[in-house]
Amino acid sequence: ELKVEQNPLFLSMQEGKNYTIYCNYSTTSDRLYWYRQDPGKSLESLFVLLSNGAVKQEGRLMASLDTKARLSTLHITAAVHDLSATYFCAVRVSGGYQKVTFGTGTKLQVIP
Amino acid sequence: NAGVTQTPKFQVLKTGQSMTLQCAQDMNHEYMSWYRQDPGMGLRLIHYSVGAGITDQGEVPNGYNVSRSTTEDFPLRLLSAAPSQTSVYFCASSYDRVGYGYTFGSGTRLTVV
Repeated sequence: ELKVEQNPLFLSMQEGKNYTIYCNYSTTSDRLYWYRQDPGKSLESLFVLLSNGAVKQEGRLMASLDTKARLSTLHITAAVHDLSATYFCAVRVSGGYQKVTFGTGTKLQVIP
Repeated sequence: NAGVTQTPKFQVLKTGQSMTLQCAQDMNHEYMSWYRQDPGMGLRLIHYSVGAGITDQGEVPNGYNVSRSTTEDFPLRLLSAAPSQTSVYFCASSYDRVGYGYTFGSGTRLTVV
């Protein structure tokens, strides 16, 4: 059974600081997703990572994938208050059709 | 372009009642899924579909049924509601193409009393 673990579960950081959210998964995957969820809202797709060494960047967020270590990171650069949200990684098992398993999420709070 | 539309947005059911959560997408996506979100547990997959007429179980399928008679619609049926099914339900859809993430609906907040 695929397990997806995120850490930290909760992160409070000051504006302007850098930090990294980690996503570990337990079995071979061919797709890894990052989503953002604002309180009381739906989920918004941020990144889709497909191969070892993949790196994608959008604004102050950068996601990377190491399939050998079964690890993805979401790096936040010079955080701003607007980035406050819950961030989820999600993993599809290789050949697993569309069974996508989510991590428990990291709640990010950026303090002005 | 409406994206993924879920109805209703809120619902209160009594234990033992049945109901159907509706989900429709207008993007011609092949893949559709239902998730439930509970505090501290992330999203858990209930059922999913890879095309019209094809469905399969996810992680927590018990107490729920689905069908997919058209590409656009993927309703979720609660057979006999239980308090443990109190949750926020999200429907999501995606293309069958590498590199695409899922588009999520706005969610249905269900309370079973």
